Amino acid sequence: SQTIHQWPATLVQPVGSPLSLECTVEGTSNPNLYWYRQAAGRGLQLLFYSVGIGQISSEVPQNLSASRPQDRQFILSSKKLLLSDSGFYLCAWELGSGANVLTFGAGSRLTVL
Amino acid sequence: DAKTTQPTSMDCAEGRAANLPCNHSTISGNEYVYWYRQIHSQGPQYIIHGLKNNETNEMASLIITEDRKSSTLILPHATLRDTAVYYCIVFGAAGNKLTFGGGTRVLVKP
Repeated sequence: SQTIHQWPATLVQPVGSPLSLECTVEGTSNPNLYWYRQAAGRGLQLLFYSVGIGQISSEVPQNLSASRPQDRQFILSSKKLLLSDSGFYLCAWELGSGANVLTFGAGSRLTVL
Repeated sequence: DAKTTQPTSMDCAEGRAANLPCNHSTISGNEYVYWYRQIHSQGPQYIIHGLKNNETNEMASLIITEDRKSSTLILPHATLRDTAVYYCIVFGAAGNKLTFGGGTRVLVKP
């Protein structure tokens, strides 16, 4: 069966520090991968999605970036965090054909101080 | 992708059916209707999806109107654990990204 892992689960970082959140998927090949962010009390905002290794589409301009170095690995990064980067970051995957059902990870909660 | 309109919030009595409406008047012919829910501090969970016909699974039923401009998610016997934000999304098979709206915050009360 397929599983999705995100880490770290919780992170507290100072303003201006770098960020790296990692997401991996097991049990499937060539998934479409997504990064969403949810600010406190708000809805989900799509940040990035990827249909293959090295293929990243950005949905909103920001100081975050994403990379997909391997088929089932998706990384969210920042060189210098802002206070507004605080939020709940969710990684998700789907097969991109047929049902297009997204499966989400447990999320990474980032607090920037 | 077509946009959806959902009520901001609704309450439901435990053990009763919860009927969650969604308007998607600009839906196109190849777009599916998807429902997800998000329990507090967790990732969203897929519930059900459909194109034209009504659908049922172990979690819920999805009723899509004949003109496909609206749909209703039915939780047949709501429990306290069904308290969550419910998202209705329309998504084209040719696209490759799901965009979530504000959803409906459902509170199941004892």
